Amino acid sequence: KAGVTQTPRYLIKTRGQQVTLSCSPISGHRSVSWYQQTPGQGLQFLFEYFSETQRNKGNFPGRFSGRQFSNSRSEMNVSTLELGDSALYLCASSLDRTGVSEQFFGPGTRLTVL
Amino acid sequence: DQQVKQNSPSLSVQEGRISILNCDYTNSMFDYFLWYKKYPAEGPTFLISISSIKDKNEDGRFTVFLNKSAKHLSLHIVPSQPGDSAVYFCAALAPSDKLIFGTGTRLQVFP
Repeated sequence: KAGVTQTPRYLIKTRGQQVTLSCSPISGHRSVSWYQQTPGQGLQFLFEYFSETQRNKGNFPGRFSGRQFSNSRSEMNVSTLELGDSALYLCASSLDRTGVSEQFFGPGTRLTVL
Repeated sequence: DQQVKQNSPSLSVQEGRISILNCDYTNSMFDYFLWYKKYPAEGPTFLISISSIKDKNEDGRFTVFLNKSAKHLSLHIVPSQPGDSAVYFCAALAPSDKLIFGTGTRLQVFP
């Protein structure tokens, strides 16, 4: 069974640009969560999508948005990039909602904002 | 405000000895806790979990202890192996079903 895949793996953008990251969950998984990992901050929850609906949201500004498609693939978008958005963005999928079933993480997309 | 804290950013242990990774939390409403392990260039992988109705859960070389009154949990790895060298994150499941992660502890096991 293929794991969670994320594309692209690495990305370099400049301030003010926008970026879209993609996550393909494990086949059959309906929940996708996104996290931001920065040194000293650990993993911070961005949002969770379940059956195409945003089910939970972390404390991030509105520049961070996401969506989930009918095939459970998810995208997250960051607009008007800032230097502080440089981070590893991880997505995790689970069969059911977070807390009900185990999450499996993808390798992440490393975003560098110059 | 960090609700889940791992105060030791790094830990170095000799192979064969015990590794103890600590985690503190502030919210007494957390009722489920997890440990994840992360190697460089890979996403975190689930290691072990514990429900708040228990004080200990064991899986092979890994044991998690929960002290609810102290709002503290710890992960014991014994015996430690070089392949255990990784970053370990503890996480708590909030009532809203969000996973709240700590900042991680980098474990290095040396021969």
